Amino acid sequence: GDSVTQMEGPVTLSEEAFLTINCTYTATGYPSLFWYVQYPGEGLQLLLKATKADDKGSNKGFEATYRKETTSFHLEKGSVQVSDSAVYFCALTLNRDDKIIFGKGTRLHILP
Amino acid sequence: DAGVIQSPRHEVTEMGQEVTLRCKPISGHDYLFWYRQTMMRGLELLIYFNNNVPIDDSGMPEDRFSAKMPNASFSTLKIQPSEPRDSAVYFCASSFDSPYEQYFGPGTRLTVT
Repeated sequence: GDSVTQMEGPVTLSEEAFLTINCTYTATGYPSLFWYVQYPGEGLQLLLKATKADDKGSNKGFEATYRKETTSFHLEKGSVQVSDSAVYFCALTLNRDDKIIFGKGTRLHILP
Repeated sequence: DAGVIQSPRHEVTEMGQEVTLRCKPISGHDYLFWYRQTMMRGLELLIYFNNNVPIDDSGMPEDRFSAKMPNASFSTLKIQPSEPRDSAVYFCASSFDSPYEQYFGPGTRLTVT
């Protein structure tokens, strides 16, 4: 079935380090891809999205590019801050009216 | 604007008791989702509604769980009888026009002893 696989956490980095969280997907069609973020004690919120191949989603300094050839949507940020500490979820949906399928989440700790 | 509102924020109950979780979606949103989050199983979609109609309840664990959406501004998730394995954080989320951009509530932390 359709699914998302993301790197296991936790990921621990120092402030100002470069971040990459890997995400790959399996889908029967051409999905839309998302990154959601969950800050401590809160619900999830949409961070960025891409709806077709080669699209780049970006928000708050985070970026991810939809790579159809490698079925990937890796999340990157050039210089992380302590406030980026959270759990990050990669997700997909097959069509506009269908439910979102979430990955298991990757916990990120940023040390000052 | 107010976000998604859930109540209660915390619930502690004894095994066998009925539990009702409540959700008020963002005004104007036509999709509503119930999720459960645990360390072991991660985030699970239980059920979702579109225009108050249940679309997919395949994630509801068993007959002890039921969800209703009597109108566009209110939904409930009921567990009867509750069991310790139901302990989790339950999130309600809503979205407009498609499930793409879901707005999550703060969650209800349920502990069943």
